[in-house]
Parts: sequence; C-alpha cells; structure tokens
Amino acid sequence: AQSVSQHNHHVILSEAASLELGCNYSYGGTVNLFWYVQYPGQHLQLLLKYFSGDPLVKGIKGFEAEFIKSKFSFNLRKPSVQWSDTAEYFCAVNGGGDYKLSFGAGTTVTVRA
Amino acid sequence: NAGVTQTPKFQVLKTGQSMTLQCAQDMNHNSMYWYRQDPGMGLRLIYYSASEGTTDKGEVPNGYNVSRLNKREFSLRLESAAPSQTSVYFCASSELRGQGIYEQYFGPGTRLTVT
Repeated sequence: AQSVSQHNHHVILSEAASLELGCNYSYGGTVNLFWYVQYPGQHLQLLLKYFSGDPLVKGIKGFEAEFIKSKFSFNLRKPSVQWSDTAEYFCAVNGGGDYKLSFGAGTTVTVRA
Repeated sequence: NAGVTQTPKFQVLKTGQSMTLQCAQDMNHNSMYWYRQDPGMGLRLIYYSASEGTTDKGEVPNGYNVSRLNKREFSLRLESAAPSQTSVYFCASSELRGQGIYEQYFGPGTRLTVT
C-alpha cells in the first residue's frame, strides 16, 4: 500500500515570502502525483499534476513542483506567496495501476498580510 | 458543466438515524469515490467504484454502504449514524488512465453532524 507523508503540519509566512512544502511517498513503482489546495470552506481543487516527462511541473497560481524519483519526493514551491494563498495543501499519490489516491495529512498554510 | 454535485450540503442526525448522501457527476467519468475529512487526518477513502457495476472498500468503510446507481451517480448510506461519523464528506470522480487514474474532481462536500 502507498503512504504519503507531508512534513509540515502548519506553516506561517509573511506575504512575498517563498514557500516550499515537502511531500514523500512510499511506493517504488510508477506513480502519478498531485497537489491539491483547499481554500477555507471550499472543496479540493487541483493545483498541479505529474504523470511523466519533465520532473518540474508548473501549475496554477504560480505554483510548481519537482518530482525527484530517487528521493520519492514531490515538493511544492511558490517563489512569492500572497495572502490569498492561505489554504490547506494536500499531496496525493496514485501508483501501481491502482484506482485510488492516497492523500497526505495536509499542510495548513497561513499567509500574514 | 456542473462537475461533481452533492446533496445535501448540511445535515444533522441523531444517533441511530439513517441517511443517504447523493453524488452525481456530469463528466462521463468511470471512477467515483467517497471520502471523509476530519481535522488533522487529511482525506480518508471510505468506498470507491472504479467503474459502473463495481464497488470496493477503502480505508474506513465500517458503518457505511454505497450504491453505484449508474455511471453518473454514486450514493453513500449511513444505516445507523454514530457521533464518530460527524465529518465532512466529499465525493470525487476521475477517469481511468492506462496506469492508474487521472486527477480526481471533487464535489462541494456535505457537512454532517451526528448528535
């Protein structure tokens, strides 16, 4: 079974600071990787995804993530956060031809104006 | 396109009552899912249906049943609600990919309180 670990439970930043959220997974085969965002009171929305090819993927709202296969990691980054990036961020993994996603526990990001 | 819709948005039940949460998607996806979200625990999969006519247990199936009514609709039933089932419930759908699935699309959620 796959498991997903997100390193930080809660991150507090000031506007314009850089953000990096860690995500590691435990499956050794082919994986599809996702980052989702959940704004307060809303449902999950896809930020970005990786299936194959360039390991640096760009998503919406200036987010990007890098897949490092040797480290089983898929870290999310944003060079300069805004107050509107305050949300909960979830890493998710689909592997082995499975039909399910395994989610990390989530990281709450609070951006202070 | 409405995407994934869920009803109701909010529900309060007394312990022992039953109810069904409804989910429908208009994206012609094969796979549908039910999750619960609790603080600090991320999303936990209750049941899923990889394709019409099949259902499988997820991580936390106890106390729940599901029905894949047709390709569009996937319902979740609580036969005898317990306070431990107080949670936010999300339905999702996705398309199958050669190796696994594409991204999942989520509904707006149902906030359920069991007293």
